[in-house]
Amino acid sequence: QVQLVESGGGVVQPGRSLRLSCAASGFTFSNYAIYWVRQAPGKGLEWVAVISYDGSNKYYADSVKGRFTISRDNSKNTLYLQMDSLRAEDTAVYHCARDMNPGSASYYVGHWGQGTLVTVSS
Amino acid sequence: DIQMTQSPSSVSASVGDRVTIACRASQPIRNWFAWYQQKPGKAPILIYAASSLQSGVPSRFSGSGSGTDFTLTISGLQPEDFATYYCQQAHTFPLTFGGGTKVEIK
Repeated sequence: QVQLVESGGGVVQPGRSLRLSCAASGFTFSNYAIYWVRQAPGKGLEWVAVISYDGSNKYYADSVKGRFTISRDNSKNTLYLQMDSLRAEDTAVYHCARDMNPGSASYYVGHWGQGTLVTVSS
Repeated sequence: DIQMTQSPSSVSASVGDRVTIACRASQPIRNWFAWYQQKPGKAPILIYAASSLQSGVPSRFSGSGSGTDFTLTISGLQPEDFATYYCQQAHTFPLTFGGGTKVEIK
């Protein structure tokens, strides 16, 4: 079955960096667009970024543009999120999520990982 | 950015009740719209393209609407349906979610 397992979360000081990873299994990773979606404690869902199945297209939320970079390694079935210049408001559970359809993205999320918690605090 | 406004923010209901949740987009999005059900850890998709039921989702869930106004209806609430529901527009970047509607046990 589809599995998405995030790692790399933790406590980090404001202004520092962190890299999240998402290991995918149970499907052909290289066929799907993948998302990062986050949820701050007690808050709703916020889309962060998406990368196309081949890595050629990337889009970001305005709140993270210029600070976060999404990438993927299809040979390792792994998605990444490089987070630089972290702020307190980036504190959230970060979920890796797969598009519903193979090929061109539908921009609907079909499967979710459990998430990894990032806490930005001094 | 397209703002998605859900109402109500919470609803108390009993098993067997019919529950309706609304979502309004700040500009027209045709039918580029989805509903998700969140329980701890994950948020599986229920409805996509405004009214298409995702495979495996019970038929008591239905979606309607187009343009700016959308509705999720649960016909005959079951114990496993108590959760938080989110709408999402897939028309324009940035993708945006509604603020959520918590369905609680009365």
